Amino acid sequence: EVQLVESGGGLVQPGGSLRLSCEASGFTFSSYWMHWVRQAPGKGLVWVSRIKSDGSSTNYADSVKGRFTISRDNAKNTLYLQMSSLRAEDTAIYYCARPTLYHEILTGSYSDVWFDTWGQGTLVTVSS
Amino acid sequence: DIVMTQSPDSLAVSLGERATINCKSSQSVLYSSNNKNYLAWYQQKPGQPPNLLIYWASTRESGVPDRFSGSGSETDFTLTISSLQAEDVAVYYCQQYYSTPRTFGQGTKLEIK
Repeated sequence: EVQLVESGGGLVQPGGSLRLSCEASGFTFSSYWMHWVRQAPGKGLVWVSRIKSDGSSTNYADSVKGRFTISRDNAKNTLYLQMSSLRAEDTAIYYCARPTLYHEILTGSYSDVWFDTWGQGTLVTVSS
Repeated sequence: DIVMTQSPDSLAVSLGERATINCKSSQSVLYSSNNKNYLAWYQQKPGQPPNLLIYWASTRESGVPDRFSGSGSETDFTLTISSLQAEDVAVYYCQQYYSTPRTFGQGTKLEIK
């Protein structure tokens, strides 16, 4: 069974740091791009970041660029999100999500497309 | 960034009736090289993560009831539930995967009338 389990959330003061983890099982973790998506209480889904299967490429939402760092350890089947300089507006449930890989015939490459698997999420609360 | 706008924000439909949710993207999500629309729909029930319903704008995910259907192309898309069931009460999101950053619609809350 494909499974993603997040951990590391909690209460942190503004300006503080936190590292989230997402442990993957049931699939070849090292073959997949991985993403973080967050959801503020009572609000919608917001994409945060993604990392390529081998860790060689990363992307971030403008709202977290320079403050958050996504990384992975393929030997441990684990995705991470290091969050620093946290603000009240970072308060949210953070989900890790696995996209389906789609083979682009024209380029021969694999693209990360829709999210077919989500973790249960971990709550981060930034408050004094 | 591609902005995704859903309408309406909330919707109340009687059991057994049709529910229609719209999603508009600020630019086309149709990839000309493969003629596919890079658009997905998700359902999120309270206290749960989102669940994939539809991808490529109209392809139903395995296990999703056939009362759910997706349509549209380029910038205008629709999710239709043909006969609303009680278990369909949820928030529905569209999402584009044409470009990064990935972006979601603001969500449509579906309730029973």
